[in-house]
Formats: sequence, C-alpha cells, structure tokens
Amino acid sequence: AQSVTQLDSQVPVFEEAPVELRCNYSSSVSVYLFWYVQYPNQGLQLLLKYLSGSTLVESINGFEAEFNKSQTSFHLRKPSVHISDTAEYFCAVTLIPSGGSYIPTFGRGTSLIVHP
Amino acid sequence: EPEVTQTPSHQVTQMGQEVILRCVPISNHLYFYWYRQILGQKVEFLVSFYNNEISEKSEIFDDQFSVERPDGSNFTLKIRSTKLEDSAMYFCASSVGRNTGELFFGEGSRLTVL
Repeated sequence: AQSVTQLDSQVPVFEEAPVELRCNYSSSVSVYLFWYVQYPNQGLQLLLKYLSGSTLVESINGFEAEFNKSQTSFHLRKPSVHISDTAEYFCAVTLIPSGGSYIPTFGRGTSLIVHP
Repeated sequence: EPEVTQTPSHQVTQMGQEVILRCVPISNHLYFYWYRQILGQKVEFLVSFYNNEISEKSEIFDDQFSVERPDGSNFTLKIRSTKLEDSAMYFCASSVGRNTGELFFGEGSRLTVL
C-alpha cells in the first residue's frame, strides 16, 4: 500500500521569502501526485498535479513541484510567498494500478504561515 | 463555478447518537467520496460510491457507517452510534471519472462527539 509523508506540520515564513514544503511517498508501482490547498474555512482545492510528462509542474499562482522518482519525492516550492498563501497544504498520491480505483492517499498536511 | 457543498458545517452530538452528514456533489460528477481528518492527523479515506453502490471502503468504514444517495443529488454519510473517536472533520468529494484521482472537495463538516 502507498503512504505519504509530509515531514513538516508547520512552516512559518516571512512574506516574499522562498518556501519549500516537503512530501515523500512510498509505492511499489507508478503513481500520480497532487498538491491540494485548503484556505481558512474552505474545502481542499487542487493546486497542481503530476500525471506524466515533464517532472516539473506549475500552478497558476506561482507554486511549482518536481517529481523525483529516485527520491520518491514531490516537494512544493514557491520563490516568493504572499500573505494570501497562508493555508494548509496536502500532498496526495494515487497508484496507477492495472484495474484499480485511483483512490488518492493524503498526507497529514503542512500549515504554511506567512508573516508580514 | 460548480462546487461541492456540505451541511452542517459543525455538529455537536452526544456519544451513542446517530449523525447524518450531507453533501451535494457537483452535478455532472459520477464518483463520490468521504474522507475524514482527525485533528492533527492525516486525511483518511473512508468510502467511495458509484452507480448507487459502494465501490471501495477502508478499514475505518465499519458497520457503524453507511452512505446513500437518497434523491439523486444528496450524498449522505450516516454514523449510527457515534463514539468519541469519531470526532473529526469529514470531507465529501466528487469526481467526473476515476482515472486519475483528482477530486473536488467540499468545505467539510466538523463533528464533535461529547
């Protein structure tokens, strides 16, 4: 079975500083990878995803994540954060089975706190 | 923009009581899910539902839990006799298909069992 580890429960950072939220997964088969974001009092929203092709994927608000198969990682980065990026970020992985269900497994989330 | 809606946003109940959490998935979506997150822990899969039946469920989804789609729009999660450890945020999600795992989530229903 797959698992997702988000090593940091909370990441405080100052506005305009760079940030990296770490995500590692374990799986014996190929995977799809996702980052979801949950802003205060809202549901989880898809931020970006890796399905195939380029290992570097980007979101519309400046976040990017790189799939590293050898390190089984999918870390999320942003070169300069804004106050509005304060949210909970969840990494998720879906197996690519041969006839399976594609049910995503989530990590416990990382709280990104951006200070002015 | 279409969205998944959940009610109630917060429910407080006594141990042993029945609770029903409601969700309205996005209208053209065919697959429906319930996840939960106990405070400080992972978002855990409970159950998926397709074509009016459960397609998958986790070990957490025992006989105390049930789901149904009573009227073609609502998707409900029932906890028959709540326990203290059922206190969590419950998320409903839906998807058009099942070929990637990309889900659309509601805002969650916080259940507090006293």
